[in-house]
Amino acid sequence: DSGVTQTPKHLITATGQRVTLRCSPRSGDLSVYWYQQSLDQGLQFLIQYYNGEERAKGNILERFSAQQFPDLHSELNLSSLELGDSALYFCASSYQGQGSGNEQFFGPGTRLTVL
Amino acid sequence: LAKTTQPISMDSYEGQEVNITCSHNNIATNDYITWYQQFPSQGPRFIIQGYKTKVTNEVASLFIPADRKSSTLSLPRVSLSDTAVYYCLVGANYWAGSYQLTFGKGTKLSVIP
Repeated sequence: DSGVTQTPKHLITATGQRVTLRCSPRSGDLSVYWYQQSLDQGLQFLIQYYNGEERAKGNILERFSAQQFPDLHSELNLSSLELGDSALYFCASSYQGQGSGNEQFFGPGTRLTVL
Repeated sequence: LAKTTQPISMDSYEGQEVNITCSHNNIATNDYITWYQQFPSQGPRFIIQGYKTKVTNEVASLFIPADRKSSTLSLPRVSLSDTAVYYCLVGANYWAGSYQLTFGKGTKLSVIP
């Protein structure tokens, strides 16, 4: 158990819909990362937040957005869903203190199926 | 943006040492090299991290040459439970400012009895 929690574990929805994925980081971690993993694309970095602010942005679509709240939990919002958005979505957290690298602790993931 | 390249797959017998190499020719000065292990339907798990030379922990060693354009993850005496996908990640630390995180496509290691 990494200490990172993600809800829901599974999500089935239809094209065009909007969903919200939630992540709670490990106690004390300030950074939250979101990743998308599909069979043909591997592990794709989407976005990172540090202490409530956007820190780095990867291959995140304009239909997707995220935020980190004052209690440090994060939400990933996916809208106008397409079949190709079906994937495992992972959240990770790290402390990201001075001199550290970027050791991340991953949650169990949310499996999104778009029908 | 540092791009990483790893072998797609590797096979090894139980008890052997396995070395997986990752190429990252465009690595930046502030980038760390981190390796993760992933089992099916689970989140990746941190194995080891380094900046240069050699790092060893209780499960693996990481060798990084002076030019840092590649790195090699070494798993001593693998067992069946080491069958997983191994990812090389190159990314900067907090103090480097905005950065990208680049995972390789991963190496699927199959350990054979």
